[in-house]
Amino acid sequence: GQQVMQIPQYQHVQEGEDFTTYCNSSTTLSNIQWYKQRPGGHPVFLIQLVKSGEVKKQKRLTFQFGEAKKNSSLHITATQTTDVGTYFCAGPHNAGNMLTFGGGTRLMVKP
Amino acid sequence: NAGVTQTPKFQVLKTGQSMTLQCAQDMNHEYMSWYRQDPGMGLRLIHYSVGAGITDQGEVPNGYNVSRSTTEDFPLRLLSAAPSQTSVYFCASRPRLAGGYQETQYFGPGTRLLVL
Repeated sequence: GQQVMQIPQYQHVQEGEDFTTYCNSSTTLSNIQWYKQRPGGHPVFLIQLVKSGEVKKQKRLTFQFGEAKKNSSLHITATQTTDVGTYFCAGPHNAGNMLTFGGGTRLMVKP
Repeated sequence: NAGVTQTPKFQVLKTGQSMTLQCAQDMNHEYMSWYRQDPGMGLRLIHYSVGAGITDQGEVPNGYNVSRSTTEDFPLRLLSAAPSQTSVYFCASRPRLAGGYQETQYFGPGTRLLVL
């Protein structure tokens, strides 16, 4: 079945450094979503990418969808302690009804 | 709107006990799903429903049952709890697909389950 892989699993950064997490799917995706989960919390939707090569920005966060629609990335510029959490990518599963999640990248920021 | 609510927040069970995790949403969403989250494993789909009276299995359905008698409620039942079911369980809901694209999925706060 479809698999969605994320790397790295963990990332420690100094506050102010940049951070990137990568997401790869075993199959072509019609769209990809990104979620953030704060420690002890639940996943919260960040963004959806639909078009091949699409790039979207949310303040310091930049999201990209690959040309082949099989990979995606999330880049955070100048991390802050508020960026701490686990970032998940997710793609449609089972004829588009539900989401298959990647394993997540846990970001830790040292002040 | 309360969004997606889950009860209980925490639960400790003994091996072999059964219990039901409750999930409700007040957004009139057709689609509801249950995920379990284990360290390093991300979120894995247990069961899902695309509307009242319709349920289907996800990636890891064994040991769990679901039913969807109303649009609002989607309970998850553990038939005979096992230590391998120790996890954090999230319920989620979203509207029906619109224009062929995935809609935002809303998650409940989670239930932390420990099976001894």
